[in-house]
Amino acid sequence: EPEVTQTPSHQVTQMGQEVILRCVPISNHLYFYWYRQILGQKVEFLVSFYNNEISEKSEIFDDQFSVERPDGSNFTLKIRSTKLEDSAMYFCASSVIRSTGELFFGEGSRLTVL
Amino acid sequence: GENVEQHPSTLSVQEGDSAVIKCTYSDSASNYFPWYKQELGKGPQLIIDIRSNVGEKKDQRIAVTLNKTAKHFSLHITETQPEDSAVYFCAASIREHRADSTGSNYKLTFGKGTLLTVNP
Repeated sequence: EPEVTQTPSHQVTQMGQEVILRCVPISNHLYFYWYRQILGQKVEFLVSFYNNEISEKSEIFDDQFSVERPDGSNFTLKIRSTKLEDSAMYFCASSVIRSTGELFFGEGSRLTVL
Repeated sequence: GENVEQHPSTLSVQEGDSAVIKCTYSDSASNYFPWYKQELGKGPQLIIDIRSNVGEKKDQRIAVTLNKTAKHFSLHITETQPEDSAVYFCAASIREHRADSTGSNYKLTFGKGTLLTVNP
């Protein structure tokens, strides 16, 4: 069964460092998303991406965040200068077109900022 | 923007009993309501969803009901089993169709989750 894959599964970084989280969405999907989940809290929308541009972003997704689809398969989330409060589980998701609209989530990348 | 409230935050039931989780939403324009199950260390996985044009949907032991007037929807799990133990999230979304028919954008607003424990 096709799945969304994310790397790394866990990354520890120092405050102020740049981090890139990588995702390989399901191959025939057209919409890509990043969500995050701070420990014990709800899953929060960060950004959606379609046709090589951002469709929508939340207030969390400030200038420190960027997304990119550098090739035909990868979808990346970059945090330019990490802060302690960026520590969270980051989920990539993708969705297929038309009828279902189901979002398929990856297993997440846990980011710990020290 | 949309706000989704979910209750209870924790729910413990005996194996074989039913479990009910309730959510309310604030934006009357929301028209898509999925439920996700998240097992420890995994990403959320869709278990059932409902659109605003129906009031109830059932899939084996799982059912979801929607009351658009009251802006609330519920997940019902019957004959619970230990493997049903997980965190369950409700979500709401406005399905935005693209004019070129290439798909729909689903920005989901999640509830805070319910930790369901099914005791054997």
